[in-house]
Amino acid sequence: AQKITQTQPGMFVQEKEAVTLDCTYDTSDQSYGLFWYKQPSSGEMIFLIYQGSYDEQNATEGRYSLNFQKARKSANLVISASQLGDSAMYFCAIHPPYYGGSQGNLIFGKGTKLSVKP
Amino acid sequence: GAGVSQTPSNKVTEKGKYVELRCDPISGHTALYWYRQSLGQGPEFLIYFQGTGAADDSGLPNDRFFAVRPEGSVSTLKIQRTERGDSAVYLCASSLTGGSYNSPLHFGNGTRLTVT
Repeated sequence: AQKITQTQPGMFVQEKEAVTLDCTYDTSDQSYGLFWYKQPSSGEMIFLIYQGSYDEQNATEGRYSLNFQKARKSANLVISASQLGDSAMYFCAIHPPYYGGSQGNLIFGKGTKLSVKP
Repeated sequence: GAGVSQTPSNKVTEKGKYVELRCDPISGHTALYWYRQSLGQGPEFLIYFQGTGAADDSGLPNDRFFAVRPEGSVSTLKIQRTERGDSAVYLCASSLTGGSYNSPLHFGNGTRLTVT
């Protein structure tokens, strides 16, 4: 079974600084996908970035990058140049391999609440 | 274009009542998902539709929960004989094709269900 661990319940960062949100995962599968989502107070889950288990390069999307260390089963999210609008809950998630139609089981961690200070 | 739409945004019901929660996915998305998010937790998977059929319903907690997607677009999550423990935010998501673990899910704002 897959599991996601996010050990930081809350984080503070000064505006314009970079911040790293930790995520470790547990899986026995060789193929899997790792995702990060942002959930502002409005409640919507916003997709940020994806990393495939076979991708050799770390994923980047604008100010977001994923520090993928496969041997350590770590998939930390790095946000550069933090903005006030980055204040939200951040969830790391793992997707197991696709087995003939069973694909919905995206497994989330408990999340990290990021607060950006002006 | 419009995102995933969920109605109602809030629902308060009495214990033992029946409720229906509606999800309107992004147009053209064949895959639709229901998740439940309790306070202080990440979303938990309930059910996944590919087209009209439920491809994976392994997350439904018991037989009081049921979901349909009769025409392959709008979906309804139905909860019978509601219990206070059912109180949570119910999130719906859709993706273009499903069936691939690099296809991101696009979520709606959720329905906050409160059972009194």
